[in-house]
Amino acid sequence: NAGVTQTPKFQVLKTGQSMTLQCAQDMNHEYMSWYRQDPGMGLRLIHYSVGAGITDQGEVPNGYNVSRSTTEDFPLRLLSAAPSQTSVYFCASFGPRDRGDYGYTFGSGTRLTVV
Amino acid sequence: GQSLEQPSEVTAVEGAIVQINCTYQTSGFYGLSWYQQHDGGAPTFLSYNALDGLEETGRFSSFLSRSDSYGYLLLQELQMKDSASYFCAVYTGGFKTIFGAGTRLFVKA
Repeated sequence: NAGVTQTPKFQVLKTGQSMTLQCAQDMNHEYMSWYRQDPGMGLRLIHYSVGAGITDQGEVPNGYNVSRSTTEDFPLRLLSAAPSQTSVYFCASFGPRDRGDYGYTFGSGTRLTVV
Repeated sequence: GQSLEQPSEVTAVEGAIVQINCTYQTSGFYGLSWYQQHDGGAPTFLSYNALDGLEETGRFSSFLSRSDSYGYLLLQELQMKDSASYFCAVYTGGFKTIFGAGTRLFVKA
């Protein structure tokens, strides 16, 4: 059971370039989300999805797009990279866990630097 | 606004007990959860409290008091590998979860 798989692990972009961060989960969770993590600021929600075909904005959506064509995949697109988007990005799914409680399962993260 | 407050750093000795507090002010509340994150790693789920009281999972316990908007994570028999950041998070409903800024735990020999 792989959980949540994120690629790439590291990426350097030039200002203005675009790219897609990939995320896939194999737990059949309906809810998936993208967070960015910056020093001293915890995790901030970018976009989320409650099922295939349904997405919505989080706390910091500007500059990012998402789509959800299948339950498994939830890619994040940076439209025109800016230095302010230098961060660590985590994809996460939310659903039932082994003991019957609910929680997030995070991918391993993408460390993005925009120069 | 909505906020979660937790200490930025805590230091404890190997074998000791440490408590990391979290107070929250949110527009909705469905549950408090805790996550552990080692340097360079991803957050991993530790516990979830929806009701008042103490939940125990091995060396880790988590407590919630909804009337006080307060919870804590208790780590017993500290080990060096427990050195990490710990985040509290509140599920506020509407598919939204707010995370605290994290508490960095240093375990000393």
